[in-house]
Amino acid sequence: NAGVMQNPRHLVRRRGQEARLRCSPVKGHSHVYWYRQLPEEGLKFMVYLQKENIIDESGMPKERFSAEFPKEGPSILRIQQVVRGDSAAYFCASSPVRASEKLFFGSGTQLSVL
Amino acid sequence: DQQVKQNSPSLSVQEGRISILNCDYTNSMFDYFLWYKKYPAEGPTFLISISSIKDKNEDGRFTVFLNKSAKHLSLHIVPSQPGDSAVYFCAASAGGSQGNLIFGKGTKLSVKP
Repeated sequence: NAGVMQNPRHLVRRRGQEARLRCSPVKGHSHVYWYRQLPEEGLKFMVYLQKENIIDESGMPKERFSAEFPKEGPSILRIQQVVRGDSAAYFCASSPVRASEKLFFGSGTQLSVL
Repeated sequence: DQQVKQNSPSLSVQEGRISILNCDYTNSMFDYFLWYKKYPAEGPTFLISISSIKDKNEDGRFTVFLNKSAKHLSLHIVPSQPGDSAVYFCAASAGGSQGNLIFGKGTKLSVKP
């Protein structure tokens, strides 16, 4: 009965490198959401995906960030050419139905950019 | 511009007493409100929610009150237990928001034995 699994738990990157964050939703959930939490802040919505489709990406920065949720495999949040301001905790959540407010969150990936 | 505000960064309560966590919002389009609890190094876990058509929802030791005219909600925990010590996030959504929850900054609750 695994919940939302995120890996890695901690990721260290140097400025300019790429960061790939993975998320496997709860078994049977086909809706995935990515949130970002900056230090001393609340969680901020980034993107909502359903299998192979981006439903809402209104919270994604316009450049360097992308997300996918392929038919097979985990959802991936990709950050290209990372900068220090990208350092944050990135949380993935899933839900069994479309647009559910009651989300199941993973433990997050802490990204540190040196 | 914060649409969901939790003005108390921290709260300390004695075990057995009532904990009251407060949350204010500015967007009158919000129609669903949730509280999440978060332990260190873990993701948030859903605690309790309330629809805007209600003014109270109760689940065991946890009760959420909604005052729409004041755009204010509160979470009551009674009696408080040491295991309740965590960061509590208030979140809100508007109809059709498609999983886009607006979170407050959180209140760190410490329940002392």
